[in-house]
Amino acid sequence: GNSVTQMEGPVTLSEEAFLTINCTYTATGYPSLFWYVQYPGEGLQLLLKATKADDKGSNKGFEATYRKETTSFHLEKGSVQVSDSAVYFCALSFSTLGRLYFGRGTQLTVWP
Amino acid sequence: NAGVTQTPKFQVLKTGQSMTLQCAQDMNHNSMYWYRQDPGMGLRLIYYSASEGTTDKGEVPNGYNVSRLNKREFSLRLESAAPSQTSVYFCASEDFHTNTGELFFGEGSRLTVL
Repeated sequence: GNSVTQMEGPVTLSEEAFLTINCTYTATGYPSLFWYVQYPGEGLQLLLKATKADDKGSNKGFEATYRKETTSFHLEKGSVQVSDSAVYFCALSFSTLGRLYFGRGTQLTVWP
Repeated sequence: NAGVTQTPKFQVLKTGQSMTLQCAQDMNHNSMYWYRQDPGMGLRLIYYSASEGTTDKGEVPNGYNVSRLNKREFSLRLESAAPSQTSVYFCASEDFHTNTGELFFGEGSRLTVL
């Protein structure tokens, strides 16, 4: 079946620290991969995506590279800010189905 | 821009009561979804509607019904609420024909069943 596994949280960092949130997937085929972010009290919003192997998605200083050989899509940011505190969800999708499979989410807290 | 609007934002029910969560989107999207979010479980798909006039079960449909009233609106009904349905419910929409995989989410509806 299709599934997404994220590193357990919560993750607590100081401002300007380096961030990595691990994500691996299991899929029958070649999905598109996504990172969604949920700020406190809000719905999820798309952070970045990659649609094929070796693609790199990037937005707001965050990056993730689609690695088919390791079935991974790890999220990274070189210098986090307090405003990055949120829950981050890794997800996969097959466009023919038009639906997303989400990981469990990773809570990130950044302290000043 | 309103995007995806859900009502109500908060609701408390007693076991056995019924209620309907309303969702409307103004982006002319074809596909709409209902998810529930529980601590440590991520988001799980309850029902979805790929286009007006069609609905399909997701991962956790038991205890729920849906109606795709028109292209804009997709409602979720709990006929006889149970404490296990205490959760945060999210509606989402997608322009399926562009195949971007980007869902647009509402702000959520927090439901407590006593």
